[in-house]
Amino acid sequence: AQTVTQSQPEMSVQEAETVTLSCTYDTSESDYYLFWYKQPPSRQMILVIRQEAYKQQNATENRFSVNFQKAAKSFSLKISDSQLGDAAMYFCAYNGAGGTSYGKLTFGQGTILTVHP
Amino acid sequence: EAGVTQSPTHLIKTRGQQATLRCSPISGHTSVYWYQQALGLGLQFLLWYDEGEERNRGNFPPRFSGRQFPNYSSELNVNALELEDSALYLCASSYRTSGRAPEQFFGPGTRLTVL
Repeated sequence: AQTVTQSQPEMSVQEAETVTLSCTYDTSESDYYLFWYKQPPSRQMILVIRQEAYKQQNATENRFSVNFQKAAKSFSLKISDSQLGDAAMYFCAYNGAGGTSYGKLTFGQGTILTVHP
Repeated sequence: EAGVTQSPTHLIKTRGQQATLRCSPISGHTSVYWYQQALGLGLQFLLWYDEGEERNRGNFPPRFSGRQFPNYSSELNVNALELEDSALYLCASSYRTSGRAPEQFFGPGTRLTVL
């Protein structure tokens, strides 16, 4: 079974600064997808960024980028120029490309990010 | 474009009763997923429906069941409610793809409280 671990229950950052959220995962599958989701206090989950495991290049979406280390099974999220609206719970998630893990997201425990003005 | 909608927003039941939660996917999406977000347990996958069929199921007892209708909306039924079923139930939808994990779009959730 796949597992996802977020070791930082809470993180904080000053507005305009950079913060990195950590995520590690365990899988025996060779093909899979990794995601970072954001859940603001309003509860609606929003996809922040995704990474295909077969791609070596790290994904970026504006101020959000990942550091994907496949051998180390690490998938961290970097938020640059943090904004007040970035405050939320962030979930790292895994989705296999086939087999029993296909079609379901396995989530980490989440990291609460606080942004200080 | 309307997002994923869920009803009701809140649901209060007593132990032993049945709960029915509803989800309408984004137009054009054929897959619907259900997740449970319980305090202390995090987000756990419950069910995946696509084209009216159950495609995958998480580690939940059979009293958690559901279905998908021809218009791709879905119901989650929880029978014989237990106190630990109290949670936020999230529905997500996506396009059906082959061999490529699609982006799942989430609804606002239904807060189920079991007394």
